[in-house]
Amino acid sequence: QVQLRESGPGLVQPSETLSLTCTVSGGSISPYYWTWIRQIPGKGLEWIGYIYYSGATDYNPSLRGRVTMSVDTSKSQFSLKLASVTAADTAVYYCVKVVTGGMFDPWGQGTLVTVSS
Amino acid sequence: DIVVTQSPDSLAVSLGERATINCKSSQSLLYNSDNKDYLAWYQQKPGQPPKLLISWASARESGVPDRFSGSGSGTDFTLTISSLQAEDVAVYHCLQHYSIPRTFGQGTRLEIK
Repeated sequence: QVQLRESGPGLVQPSETLSLTCTVSGGSISPYYWTWIRQIPGKGLEWIGYIYYSGATDYNPSLRGRVTMSVDTSKSQFSLKLASVTAADTAVYYCVKVVTGGMFDPWGQGTLVTVSS
Repeated sequence: DIVVTQSPDSLAVSLGERATINCKSSQSLLYNSDNKDYLAWYQQKPGQPPKLLISWASARESGVPDRFSGSGSGTDFTLTISSLQAEDVAVYHCLQHYSIPRTFGQGTRLEIK
């Protein structure tokens, strides 16, 4: 069973760029879609965007312009960058595999990123 | 964007009783070419990531107890737990994967009465 693990700073300064990496183990990163989802504490889930193993991307329009995703198949990793962060971007960020049909499964454990000075 | 609205926001049910959670979409999630509803249900226990319970509105994932069932089509969907167990305490989310951007319901918190 594939496993995913998020890594990156837990604290980011306002106006800076949030950077997270997801490492995939127990399975290949190819030829699948991968996604990032976030959950503001106590709130619902927000889809951030997709990246295909080839590097093709599709982002949530609500975040487009600030989001960049990339993939490194040699390291079985994909990454998220979110620019110009504010306190509203404080959330648990999950990396997730996209299964046939578009459902999200499995999920990483998630990592809390706090935006604060 | 497709808006997905769950009801109720929270629910308290006695052990052994039925729990019903609803999910309503602002547009149909039924894809005519394959006659499938692009709606999934997730269970999120405290401190854990969401877990996929039901796909295609009504297909239970492997290992999910048969007390969980999904129903509905088009714009109205239901997740039913036929006999609530203590381990079912969680937040339940529905997801539409019909169109971009993917959107979730706001979540329903299920507790024991």
